[in-house]
Amino acid sequence: SQQGEEDPQALSIQEGENATMNCSYKTSINNLQWYRQNSGRGLVHLILIRSNEREKHSGRLRVTLDTSKKSSSLLITASRAADTASYFCATANYGGATNKLIFGTGTLLAVQP
Amino acid sequence: NAGVTQTPKFQVLKTGQSMTLQCAQDMNHEYMSWYRQDPGMGLRLIHYSVGAGITDQGEVPNGYNVSRSTTEDFPLRLLSAAPSQTSVYFCASSPGTGGFTEAFFGQGTRLTVV
Repeated sequence: SQQGEEDPQALSIQEGENATMNCSYKTSINNLQWYRQNSGRGLVHLILIRSNEREKHSGRLRVTLDTSKKSSSLLITASRAADTASYFCATANYGGATNKLIFGTGTLLAVQP
Repeated sequence: NAGVTQTPKFQVLKTGQSMTLQCAQDMNHEYMSWYRQDPGMGLRLIHYSVGAGITDQGEVPNGYNVSRSTTEDFPLRLLSAAPSQTSVYFCASSPGTGGFTEAFFGQGTRLTVV
C-alpha cells in the first residue's frame, strides 16, 4: 500500500483564493516533499521539509509538517489559473537498507479564472 | 542540459511481447528510479538504484527487471507484457542517497498493452 494519502482528492477554487491540501503518511520519514504535475507531464519538485522542521515557506507556498500526527499540509496563497495541476506529497526514507521516495495519491486542483 | 530523458514517449505492445524503456540522465545523479502512474493511484515505485551496479525493488516490482551498468542509464525491461502493465511510466533521478533533496523526472512513457 502507498505511504501517503492526500485529501481532498479534488479541489476547485476561484482565482485569488487560497488552496490547502493535506497529506497523511504511515511510517517515520527523513523528509517530506511536494510535487506538481501538469496534465500529461512529468512531476516538478516544489518544496522539501525535513523531519525536524515544522513549517517552511517558498514564495506563495507554505508547508507544515506534524510528525506526531504523521501529516503535512500544502497551502497555496492567492491562487492563479496557472496553478491548476495535480499536487503530490512524497515521503523520503533513506539510510541503511532503505532508500525510497514514496508518493501519495495526489490532489487535483482546479483554479477557475 | 537535457536532464532526464525517456524513450520512447508512446508504445503499444501485444500481450506477451517484451520491451525495454530507456532512461538516461546527464546530471551525474547517484539515485535513479522507475514509477508507474495509474488513474487514482498516484505514482508507485517499481525499482530503484542507489548507484551503478546496485538495484533494489520498490512497491510493485513484479513483471519488471532493471540493471544499472552506468551512472547515466537505468533501463526498465518488461519481460512478458500484460494488459495490467498498461500505464504511464516515469523515470526519476536524485543527486544522492545521503539525503534525498529533490527528484528530477522525465516526461514519461505511455505504454498500452493490448
